[in-house]
Amino acid sequence: DAKTTQPPSMDCAEGRAANLPCNHSTISGNEYVYWYRQIHSQGPQYIIHGLKNNETNEMASLIITEDRKSSTLILPHATLRDTAVYYCIVRVAMTPDYKLSFGAGTTVTVRA
Amino acid sequence: DAGVIQSPRHEVTEMGQEVTLRCKPISGHDYLFWYRQTMMRGLELLIYFNNNVPIDDSGMPEDRFSAKMPNASFSTLKIQPSEPRDSAVYFCASTMTGYEQYFGPGTRLTVT
Repeated sequence: DAKTTQPPSMDCAEGRAANLPCNHSTISGNEYVYWYRQIHSQGPQYIIHGLKNNETNEMASLIITEDRKSSTLILPHATLRDTAVYYCIVRVAMTPDYKLSFGAGTTVTVRA
Repeated sequence: DAGVIQSPRHEVTEMGQEVTLRCKPISGHDYLFWYRQTMMRGLELLIYFNNNVPIDDSGMPEDRFSAKMPNASFSTLKIQPSEPRDSAVYFCASTMTGYEQYFGPGTRLTVT
């Protein structure tokens, strides 16, 4: 699986959009970008995934650049409950190997 | 649905004792994963099952660790004998599609 690079931490104001970057310059054509988050003392939670088109669900939006070497997770209206560690993971989806490799992630702190 | 259920939530034991962690996956999910999280090493995959069969146990640290899945609704992770360095939070996760892994609340293990 391709390696990802994320900033170690970032702050965000409550009510504002939080834009979380992720670099994955060695991504392969059949690899998807996944985002998970882990709120303190809880298990990781799936947020969203995408291949090359932008994706949106009730939690967030995922913007993937045309060359697929980077992506941005957007939390449109951050709340205090969005304070968590956010993980960007790149892996092949349609494979018998369902491993997820979590890196260090980005610690996002939403401030009132 | 109740989600992934893990028990116990907290376990404190003495070095040398046997520890058994339990997991009930979400009904209908045919993949089950065991992860371990520590401050030093982050979130690591230990082993995963498909249709109750272990597929990849390359993450199991040593022979003291063993995992079983006797049926589709139950799995155990056993450590015998336990050591202080096994202290960590152990997560169980399950999935049906492979895109989203649903994590349990974790078991915090402390070995003194």
